[in-house]
Amino acid sequence: EVQLVESGGGLVQPGRSLRLSCAASGFTFDDYAMHWVRQAPGKGLEWVSGINWSSGSLDYADSVKGRFTISRDNAKNSLYLQMNSLRREDTALYYCAKGAGESFYYHAMDVWGQGTTVTVSS
Amino acid sequence: DIQMTQSPSSLSASVGDRVTITCRASQSITNYLNWYQQKPGKAPKLLIFAASSFQSGVPSRFSGSGSGTDFTLTISSLQPEDFATYYCQQSFSTPPTFGQGTKVEIK
Repeated sequence: EVQLVESGGGLVQPGRSLRLSCAASGFTFDDYAMHWVRQAPGKGLEWVSGINWSSGSLDYADSVKGRFTISRDNAKNSLYLQMNSLRREDTALYYCAKGAGESFYYHAMDVWGQGTTVTVSS
Repeated sequence: DIQMTQSPSSLSASVGDRVTITCRASQSITNYLNWYQQKPGKAPKLLIFAASSFQSGVPSRFSGSGSGTDFTLTISSLQPEDFATYYCQQSFSTPPTFGQGTKVEIK
């Protein structure tokens, strides 16, 4: 069974850091791009970041550029999101999603985890 | 960035109704358009990719069409389990962008 399990969320003060992880199983991880997508309470979906199969191509939403860093460890079947200088507006449920191809564009997101909640508050 | 605009933002319909949701891109995305369904408290689920291709396991009452800038998701006969929020998303270029969502509610 293809599965994505996020972890690392929690309550954090503004300006602090947090690292999210996503453990993948049931598919050949290093064949596919991966994404982070977030959803603020009561709001729609917002793409945060994507990384291709080899880590050779990646991108970020303008709202997180310079603060967040996406990475992957294909040997560990894991995806990460390092979030620095967190702001209240980063409060959201963060989903890990599998791309349907090697690139994080041109393809849909065909498998999603259940998400991990990040709350930024003092 | 490519902007995606869905309409309507919400709709009320009855079981058995035909429902149509539209999505417009701010520039041509050829057929790089995907549709997702999200139920309350659940992760999004891919329904349609490449504008009109079915994801495995998706009921045939769902269909997608369109190309360029204008796209449509149609549910031919609404079922109780279809009440959810639907999102379009373009994968033509980075950053990938989502529409604001269309909430389908019970009339």
